[in-house]
Amino acid sequence: DGGITQSPKYLFRKEGQNVTLSCEQNLNHDAMYWYRQDPGQGLRLIYYSQIVNDFQKGDIAEGYSVSREKKESFPLTVTSAQKNPTAFYLCASSILLQGNNEQFFGPGTRLTVL
Amino acid sequence: AQSVTQLDSQVPVFEEAPVELRCNYSSSVSVYLFWYVQYPNQGLQLLLKYLSGSTLVESINGFEAEFNKSQTSFHLRKPSVHISDTAEYFCAVSVPSNDYKLSFGAGTTVTVRA
Repeated sequence: DGGITQSPKYLFRKEGQNVTLSCEQNLNHDAMYWYRQDPGQGLRLIYYSQIVNDFQKGDIAEGYSVSREKKESFPLTVTSAQKNPTAFYLCASSILLQGNNEQFFGPGTRLTVL
Repeated sequence: AQSVTQLDSQVPVFEEAPVELRCNYSSSVSVYLFWYVQYPNQGLQLLLKYLSGSTLVESINGFEAEFNKSQTSFHLRKPSVHISDTAEYFCAVSVPSNDYKLSFGAGTTVTVRA
């Protein structure tokens, strides 16, 4: 059963702590993405990666870090430098084919900073 | 850079009534267009997409959208909604030269009432 998994579904963290969100896909997609979703703001791109061991900043990368050591995995670390980390985080993946860049999304992780 | 405007943030509608969700984009080049649906506390699911060809695209659950290049719009319609259509809907645009990234609108929340 192919798809994207994110864990955990809910995550609580104290201020000043780093936390890592997991994203795994078994769709054999080359590209993976991390988005942040806040009410009324749609989705904003944090980081994306098109190939193993390479990634690029999106629109709101400050306070976040990623790695892409395996094609299937793209974990996101929310660092203590992120001023307002409470949000819903979505991971997505896609093939890299000109003319069809549909993205497939995971179920999301809701992060709450206490 | 392209941007997406969803003109209505909230759309209340009665069951079996028609609904239209408006989406306009700004881009000086050819675009690919997508509508995604998000149910509460879940990830996004693709509803339909326009890549090329016929300007009217349909989904399997009765939604349709029409690409209008002159008006730079991609409005989503359904002639008769169900309670289960209650969700948030996102319009997204991709420019082929922009590294396969998607730009999302802020979303439209559809609430279907009996």
